[in-house]
Amino acid sequence: RKEVEQDPGPFNVPEGATVAFNCTYSNSASQSFFWYRQDCRKEPKLLMSVYSSGNEDGRFTAQLNRASQYISLLIRDSKLSDSATYLCVVPFSSGSARQLTFGSGTQLTVLP
Amino acid sequence: ETGVTQSPTHLIKTRGQQVTLRCSSQSGHNTVSWYQQALGQGPQFIFQYYREEENGRGNFPPRFSGLQFPNYSSELNVNALELDDSALYLCASRNDRGQETQYFGPGTRLLVL
Repeated sequence: RKEVEQDPGPFNVPEGATVAFNCTYSNSASQSFFWYRQDCRKEPKLLMSVYSSGNEDGRFTAQLNRASQYISLLIRDSKLSDSATYLCVVPFSSGSARQLTFGSGTQLTVLP
Repeated sequence: ETGVTQSPTHLIKTRGQQVTLRCSSQSGHNTVSWYQQALGQGPQFIFQYYREEENGRGNFPPRFSGLQFPNYSSELNVNALELDDSALYLCASRNDRGQETQYFGPGTRLLVL
């Protein structure tokens, strides 16, 4: 089983739609989680951090279910500018290093 | 902008050659990690440097090596390049004061022919 698994998509949705991405992780000891956004041929950029049951920032809501080891990202009222790849990220310790484990990403295209 | 810079932006090499990629961390960040991102995949952790020493490594062979300098900038060296080394190489920095968030540079796109 992969450490972080995401539905690869692609998701093609019209402007204004609500879309949800799912992510499962294997390390039950993980305490923090991130969603990064990556535009085509660019670096990943932090979108949201999730430390407890969830987090909301404007149109974006992240939810965490520790029992099911499941994280979701909900985008409401999609904009054209939301088109990107969304990466689910789980940090874990490797020796004394703190590394990020990424899912393969979910590709979103918002259509006019 | 994250303040993390990388050079060069693009690079073309042939199999068997060696390459050095460079990264300058964000001001105040003393920890640098390197990631490899193949096309269509998420970034994969290569290694992390803290106070000029490697303190964590992912599943990459020894021909991937690195350095960190006293100013916290870092280099990634790859020897005996293989075709599968073609990827986007990302550098990320953070501080060690309990902060989890890592900030990525724009990456170096390496093509091995």
